[in-house]
Amino acid sequence: QVQMVQSGPEVKKPGASVKVSCKASGDSFPNYGISWVRQAPGQGLEWLGWIGTYSGNTHFAQKFQGRLNMTIDTSTTTAYLELRNLRSDDTAVYYCGRLEVAGAADFGGQGTMVTVS
Amino acid sequence: DIQMTQSPSTLSASVGDRVTITCRASQSINTFLAWYQQRPGKAPKLLIYKASNLQTGVPSRFSGSGSGTEFTLTISSLQPDDFATYYCQQYQGYPYTFGQGTNLEIK
Repeated sequence: QVQMVQSGPEVKKPGASVKVSCKASGDSFPNYGISWVRQAPGQGLEWLGWIGTYSGNTHFAQKFQGRLNMTIDTSTTTAYLELRNLRSDDTAVYYCGRLEVAGAADFGGQGTMVTVS
Repeated sequence: DIQMTQSPSTLSASVGDRVTITCRASQSINTFLAWYQQRPGKAPKLLIYKASNLQTGVPSRFSGSGSGTEFTLTISSLQPDDFATYYCQQYQGYPYTFGQGTNLEIK
């Protein structure tokens, strides 16, 4: 199974930005795209958005419009999530997942803890 | 936004039991539904996509059914590894949304 390897934990101050990376092991990118979700401590899952692997098209949850960006570098099989103007309620584990078809992602990575304090 | 409601929130069961978790959507989502398993400190694991399709590598004791607004995840014979939290997710309309989760615990 192709895993996704994410960047390490981050601690940021309110108002700062964070950029989380997600690299496909074995240099095998998914056919469809990369999905991102997050999970605040002790809470459920929250969908953030996804980016098409080769189209670069993005769909974000409306609540993050203006603060969230997703990019993809096919040459290094790495996807990135950038969240700006961080607030304390952005503290969460951020997961990337492979989309081989639309909608249902395979979250094979370890997650990235982002703490805003 | 499409609201996803799971029941029950907590389910106590024993190894070998057959269990069913229900997920209801606030509007029709056809069969654009996925089920995930999450163990503490781990990433969600995709079990079922398109309501009833078993993800590669997932044991056949897991099955999904339903369409429209009502869906079920069934585990035919619980194994020790199955005690975890389960989430449904719709991907019919943006934003994609998750249910609140069902915590499956050992009785």
